[in-house]
Amino acid sequence: QVQLRESGPGLVKPSETLSLTCTVSGVSMISYYWTWIRQPPGKGLEWIGFVSYTGSTRYNPSLKSRVTISADTSKNQFSLNLWPVTAADTAVYYCARSYGISSTSGRGYFDYWGQGSLVAVSS
Amino acid sequence: DIQMTQSPSSLSASVGDRVTITCQASQDITDYLSWYQQKPGKAPNLLIYDASNLERGVPSRFSGSGSGTDFSFTISSLQPEDFATYYCQQYDDLPLTFGGGTKVEIK
Repeated sequence: QVQLRESGPGLVKPSETLSLTCTVSGVSMISYYWTWIRQPPGKGLEWIGFVSYTGSTRYNPSLKSRVTISADTSKNQFSLNLWPVTAADTAVYYCARSYGISSTSGRGYFDYWGQGSLVAVSS
Repeated sequence: DIQMTQSPSSLSASVGDRVTITCQASQDITDYLSWYQQKPGKAPNLLIYDASNLERGVPSRFSGSGSGTDFSFTISSLQPEDFATYYCQQYDDLPLTFGGGTKVEIK
């Protein structure tokens, strides 16, 4: 079955880089878009951005200048980098698969999710 | 950005009750709307996509309707395992956006 699992540090210092990796199993990354979503403690969901299996990306304008998402289809992984971070970036970060409205669009709903990775930004 | 306004933000209901949540988009999103259930400490779980299509394996007591800007999500007979927070999400345009959530609590 399809599974996604986030991995990375649980604590990042202010002004440093938040780096997370999502490992996908049970499905090839080809023909899908792969997304990062975050949820601050006690708050709602925020879409961060996605990467296609070809490496094309789109980001939320609210984070665009700080975020990079990349994919390594040979390892069935995709990654998130966010720099520089502040306390406002403290959140649970989820990776998810986007089931797009078409095979060439990352606009879609999220049918598979990782379990989430809590990242705290603190000195 | 397309704003998604969900209401109510919370509700109290009893087992067996019919529960309806609404989601309004700030512009026409046709039927590009999904609904998710999230339990504490867990990732959201897809229930409905394309406004009214039930995801595989999701019980039929869950349903969705609407198009354009106004949508609703209904649980026909609330079960103990349905107490959770529910979110709508639009995928008509980027950035993809979510509603603020509706927490369904036990009365």
